[in-house]
Amino acid sequence: DGGITQSPKYLFRKEGQNVTLSCEQNLNHDAMYWYRQDPGQGLRLIYYSQIVNDFQKGDIAEGYSVSREKKESFPLTVTSAQKNPTAFYLCASSIDQPARNNQPQHFGDGTRLSIL
Amino acid sequence: DAKTTQPNSMESNEEEPVHLPCNHSTISGTDYIHWYRQLPSQGPEYVIHGLTSNVNNRMASLAIAEDRKSSTLILHRATLRDAAVYYCILRARGNTGNQFYFGTGTSLTVIP
Repeated sequence: DGGITQSPKYLFRKEGQNVTLSCEQNLNHDAMYWYRQDPGQGLRLIYYSQIVNDFQKGDIAEGYSVSREKKESFPLTVTSAQKNPTAFYLCASSIDQPARNNQPQHFGDGTRLSIL
Repeated sequence: DAKTTQPNSMESNEEEPVHLPCNHSTISGTDYIHWYRQLPSQGPEYVIHGLTSNVNNRMASLAIAEDRKSSTLILHRATLRDAAVYYCILRARGNTGNQFYFGTGTSLTVIP
């Protein structure tokens, strides 16, 4: 079945360490997104990419970096500059054509990141 | 960006209908109304979407006000598995990314 795969499900980071969260989709979607969710809160957009080799900052991009070298993959790196990285991270994808804003986003099951 | 307003929480008895409201007074003519729900420790799941007319699918119904400034997600018979956070969002035409603004949603409790 087509879908989005996030790994790992749980991740621990030491102080000063960079960690990379994986997101892979086989839906042939152009657009991919990374969100952060804190307990009891909604989703906040970190980065999004509309096409390979292009990505844009969302509302809370500081301390994060991304790459989009392949259509299927959109990894997120949480750098040491992100001082409060403990959160639930969600990756999503969607068809991204201006005339098709009726298309939903598809989400992975998330990665829960904690600080050791 | 157009945004939505939802009650923080609602309760429903099992097997009764549930009406989840959403206000979106700044909606533009080409914005689609999307609803998602999120179970604990999972990613959001698409429920339904609409533009102007009421919509039905196997999960729920979406009732859209005539002026489109509000909408209501209707679960016809609530089950315990429907306990989740429900998000109402708008997706504008011509852009991506920031348009999927989820907010804090409505936490639905289903009482057995």
